[in-house]
Amino acid sequence: EPEVTQTPSHQVTQMGQEVILRCVPISNHLYFYWYRQILGQKVEFLVSFYNNEISEKSEIFDDQFSVERPDGSNFTLKIRSTKLEDSAMYFCASSWTGGPGQYFGPGTRLTVT
Amino acid sequence: DQQVKQNSPSLSVQEGRISILNCDYTNSMFDYFLWYKKYPAEGPTFLISISSIKDKNEDGRFTVFLNKSAKHLSLHIVPSQPGDSAVYFCAASAVNQGGKLIFGQGTELSVKP
Repeated sequence: EPEVTQTPSHQVTQMGQEVILRCVPISNHLYFYWYRQILGQKVEFLVSFYNNEISEKSEIFDDQFSVERPDGSNFTLKIRSTKLEDSAMYFCASSWTGGPGQYFGPGTRLTVT
Repeated sequence: DQQVKQNSPSLSVQEGRISILNCDYTNSMFDYFLWYKKYPAEGPTFLISISSIKDKNEDGRFTVFLNKSAKHLSLHIVPSQPGDSAVYFCAASAVNQGGKLIFGQGTELSVKP
């Protein structure tokens, strides 16, 4: 069964450093998403991406964040200068239709020290 | 942002009995509702969904009920099995919002043998 994959599973970085989280969505999906879950809190939407551009973003997704689909398979989330409060699980998701039935990856745990 | 709320952080049920997980929402623009299941160290897994034009959707042991007038939905699992033990998230989406999912806080279900 096709699945969304994410690397790395755990990333530790120092405050102020740049990080890139990587995702390989399901191959025939066209819509891509990033969510995050701070420990003990709910899963929060960050951004949706379709046709090589952002279609929706949340207030969390400020100028420190960017997304890219550099080739036909990868979808990345970059945080330019990490803050302590960026520590969270980051989930990538993809869907075929852009509707709500999204498939999630296993997540990357980001720890900012 | 409390557009989707799951007021019970945990639920314990005996194997074979019915599990009922509840979810309330405030945004009348939501047109699709979903339930996701999440195990530790994994991403959310899509379970079942319902369109706002329906009041019930059934898939095997899982049934979702939607009461639009009360802005309430519930997930029924019957019979409950120990493997159902996980965190269950209610999520909602609104048309023309890029597929963005708004999640509830989750309910941890424990099914005891």
